[in-house]
This record gives sequence, structure tokens and C-alpha cells, in this order.
Amino acid sequence: AQSVTQPDIHITVSEGASLELRCNYSYGATPYLFWYVQSPGQGLQLLLKYFSGDTLVQGIKGFEAEFKRSQSSFNLRKPSVHWSDAAEYFCAVGALTGGGNKLTFGTGTQLKVEL
Amino acid sequence: DAMVIQNPRYQVTQFGKPVTLSCSQTLNHNVMYWYQQKSSQAPKLLFHYYDKDFNNEADTPDNFQSRRPNTSFCFLDIRSPGLGDAAMYLCATSKELAGSGNEQFFGPGTRLTVL
Repeated sequence: AQSVTQPDIHITVSEGASLELRCNYSYGATPYLFWYVQSPGQGLQLLLKYFSGDTLVQGIKGFEAEFKRSQSSFNLRKPSVHWSDAAEYFCAVGALTGGGNKLTFGTGTQLKVEL
Repeated sequence: DAMVIQNPRYQVTQFGKPVTLSCSQTLNHNVMYWYQQKSSQAPKLLFHYYDKDFNNEADTPDNFQSRRPNTSFCFLDIRSPGLGDAAMYLCATSKELAGSGNEQFFGPGTRLTVL
């Protein structure tokens, strides 16, 4: 079964600083990988996704992520964080199972931005 | 704008009193999902429909049921809510189960409180 690990539960960065959120996955084949962001009391918004091809993917709000098969990682980056980026970030792996598609989420990283 | 709509946004029920949560979509997607997200945890898939085909996760309690009367609507029924069922319930859709169409779009969620 697939799994996702987000090793950092909380991260605090200063506004304008760069950001990297870590994500490691476990899956036997080529995974579909996603990053979602969730503001308090809200649903999840897709930031970016990787299916195949170029391993560096660009997303919305200035985010990017790089798929590294050798490290089983899909880390999320942003060169300059804005205060409005404070939220919870979830990495997810999607894979076909016997019953259909399943999106497995990591436990999330809570991002705090200091002004 | 095409979207995923959940009603109500907040639902309060009594212990053991059946409750129904609603989800509708204007995306005309084939797949609809229900997730349970408890406080500070990752969303957990309960079940999904591909068109009219229902797929239940192995560890979803029997207390949770779902109906999809047409493409646009999907309902989550909790037959006898317990205190442990208090959570955010997220509905999501995707065009297809796999490949480039399996990106999931989430609604804003329904926060369920059980008294």
C-alpha cells in the first residue's frame, strides 16, 4: 500500500524568506503526486501535481515541486513566502487500488509566517 | 464557476440521531469521493463512486453509507452518529480514476458536531 510522510509537523518562516516543505512517499510504481493547501475551516485547494514528464512542476501562487525518484521525494518550494501562505499543506499520492483510485495524504505541515 | 458545493457547512446532531450531508458538483465529473478529516489529521477516504459504482474502503464503519442519485449529487448518511464521528467531512470529485484526469477537486467541507 502507498504511504506519504511529511516529517515536519510545524514550520515557521519569516515573510520574504524561502520555503521548502518535505514529502516522502512509498509506492511500488510511478506515483501520481499532489500538493494541497488547506486554510482553517476550509476545503483543500490543489497547488500542483505530478503525473509524468518534467520532474520540476510549477503550481499556483508561486509554488513549485520537484519529483526525485531516487529519493522518493516530492518537496514543495517557494522562493519568497507571503503572509497569506500561512496554512496547512498536505502532500498526497494517488494510485490505483483494487477498488479504484485512492488518494493517500500525509499528516500535513502547518506553516506559520512571521511578519 | 464550476465547483464542488457542500451543504450545510456546519451541522450539529445528537448522539445516535441520523444525519445526512450533501455534496453537489457542476464539473460533470465521473467520480465523487467522501473523506473524513478529524482535527489536526489527514483526510481519510471513506468511499467513492465511479458513476453509479460504489467502492467502500475496507476500514469504513458500517455506520457510514452513501447515495449517488445522479451525476451531480452525492450524499453521506451517518446512521447513528457517535461522539467519535465529529469531524470535517470533505467531498471531492475527479473526472476519471486514473491518469491525467484523476486530480481531485474538493468542496469546502461540512463540520459535523455530535452532542
